Amino acid sequence: AQSVTQPDIHITVSEGASLELRCNYSYGATPYLFWYVQSPGQGLQLLLKYFSGDTLVQGIKGFEAEFKRSQSSFNLRKPSVHWSDAAEYFCAVGRSGGYQKVTFGTGTKLQVIP
Amino acid sequence: EADIYQTPRYLVIGTGKKITLECSQTMGHDKMYWYQQDPGMELHLIHYSYGVNSTEKGDLSSESTVSRIRTEHFPLTLESARPSHTSQYLCASSDPRTGTGGEKLFFGSGTQLSVL
Repeated sequence: AQSVTQPDIHITVSEGASLELRCNYSYGATPYLFWYVQSPGQGLQLLLKYFSGDTLVQGIKGFEAEFKRSQSSFNLRKPSVHWSDAAEYFCAVGRSGGYQKVTFGTGTKLQVIP
Repeated sequence: EADIYQTPRYLVIGTGKKITLECSQTMGHDKMYWYQQDPGMELHLIHYSYGVNSTEKGDLSSESTVSRIRTEHFPLTLESARPSHTSQYLCASSDPRTGTGGEKLFFGSGTQLSVL
């Protein structure tokens, strides 16, 4: 069975500081990996996804993520955080076929302080 | 960006009432989904649909039901609401044209349901 672990429930960073959100997954084959962001009162929005190719993936809003097969990780990074990045971030793993089963992590809530 | 709409945004009702949560998308997506989201928990898939007249149960057992009579509309119904149904319900659709590497999910803003 596939699963996702986001070990950090809550992270606080200063505006302008760098950010890394951790994600570890469990899946038997090469997974589809996603990062979604949920702003307060909103639905989830896709930031980026990975399936194959370059292990460093660029997404929207200046985010990037690196796939590390040896560590079963797909950490999200941003070099300089803006106050508008305060939100909840969900890592997800998916597989193809059928309805495209996607398993989400429990989320990491990001707080940005001035 | 997302053209997927959920109503109502918030709903507070009493136990035993029948409710329908509405979800509509204007993107022409065949696949649609309902997720249940609780604070600090992962999103759980409760229903999905491949297209018109197709409905399937998701990973999490739910007493709700869904219907898909039109491509753009995927309502969720609870015949008799209970306090245990209190949760946020997120509707989503996916675009098979996003190429290889998994379909992008488009989410609505959700319905926060509170059953008293």
